[in-house]
Amino acid sequence: ETGVTQSPTHLIKTRGQQVTLRCSSQSGHNTVSWYQQALGQGPQFIFQYYREEENGRGNFPPRFSGLQFPNYSSELNVNALELDDSALYLCASSLGWGRGGQETQYFGPGTRLLVL
Amino acid sequence: AQTVTQSQPEMSVQEAETVTLSCTYDTSESDYYLFWYKQPPSRQMILVIRQEAYKQQNATENRFSVNFQKAAKSFSLKISDSQLGDAAMYFCAYRSAMAGNTPLVFGKGTRLSVIA
Repeated sequence: ETGVTQSPTHLIKTRGQQVTLRCSSQSGHNTVSWYQQALGQGPQFIFQYYREEENGRGNFPPRFSGLQFPNYSSELNVNALELDDSALYLCASSLGWGRGGQETQYFGPGTRLLVL
Repeated sequence: AQTVTQSQPEMSVQEAETVTLSCTYDTSESDYYLFWYKQPPSRQMILVIRQEAYKQQNATENRFSVNFQKAAKSFSLKISDSQLGDAAMYFCAYRSAMAGNTPLVFGKGTRLSVIA
């Protein structure tokens, strides 16, 4: 167990709807990263939040947005859901802002999203 | 952009035997970190081992060790005395050592089966 929790564990939505996924970071961690893992693929970086600000983003459209709260928990919001958004969404927390990679990223169990 | 390639979609090993999972990567950077993560059916991504590029000595963690060949950009994982609990997806990942929390870049993974 890493201390990183995510909710919900599973979710079913229909195309065009909006969804919010939640992540509670490990105690003391101030950085949260979100990844999308499609079936049979490795995780792909969506974006990262450090002290409530987005400070890195992967190749995902603006309908993927997020928030980080003062307690460093985080939300991932996806608008106008598409069928291809069906995936496992992972969040990872770490203690930043040091030299890259020095702070290990600890992953949560993920949220499985199915878009019909 | 950095890329990570895992050329073995599936591998199998007899219990108590040794298996090696392959990983190659492409980068123009000289300072970075490499990781192997394990993802069991529970979906939680677990860090197995990490290697700092500036260290010539190969990392080891109990039954897990790596063969890091920087010039060849190769980073293989050796699992000794394989156990049934080692069965999982294994992902190789790269992380730049630039300042700040840089994201992980994952390969597509290798599914490891352990035969009793």
